Amino acid sequence: GAVVSQHPSRVICKSGTSVKIECRSLDFQATTMFWYRQFPKKSLMLMATSNEGSKATYEQGVEKDKFLINHASLTLSTLTVTSAHPEDSSFYICSATEGAGGPSTDTQYFGPGTRLTVL
Amino acid sequence: AQTVTQSQPEMSVQEAETVTLSCTYDTSESDYYLFWYKQPPSRQMILVIRQEAYKQQNATENRFSVNFQKAAKSFSLKISDSQLGDAAMYFCAYRSKGAQKLVFGQGTRLTINP
Repeated sequence: GAVVSQHPSRVICKSGTSVKIECRSLDFQATTMFWYRQFPKKSLMLMATSNEGSKATYEQGVEKDKFLINHASLTLSTLTVTSAHPEDSSFYICSATEGAGGPSTDTQYFGPGTRLTVL
Repeated sequence: AQTVTQSQPEMSVQEAETVTLSCTYDTSESDYYLFWYKQPPSRQMILVIRQEAYKQQNATENRFSVNFQKAAKSFSLKISDSQLGDAAMYFCAYRSKGAQKLVFGQGTRLTINP
């Protein structure tokens, strides 16, 4: 149980284009999803927290207009990197927790990550 | 704000031996959760073990166990009978009872020597 998927696993795009990354909870309803960025050999940096049906809460220093997050359903959250530039190249990871009362409410389960390369 | 510190950037152990990864944290709270996550070369974060602060008993999952010292704010991970598949980055993480966010340590890269 508690499986989270991400799509695509890898994406290469040209500078100036937008890229959408999907995060899905496959066997549970995720009321809260998280988006992280990870640089090589570094820890995870939380970008934003999204709750289903409401606006995402961004961490300090993360540009809201550049990293658009939508959590339209209990099983899907999307991260759109708008007008991507080479410095946005990174490994993006999502995670999810189950709603209140579920067995996974206090544990984040992670997707496999998406490697974004902006040329 | 809470902080998590993993003071060992790298560790290595012989296959079948036991290794302990250190983690300390700073908090003024009394109720919280602690986690160890494993990130193998595939980069998929995998939950290894979790501990609830109000439980005094140390959590155990097969070959993985923790030494939770609440007063010392220490949460070390012991891996027994190390296997080649245990090679990975290991992250210690803290979560407040009433919060959603995880606070991660810097990670420890574990190498298993055959």
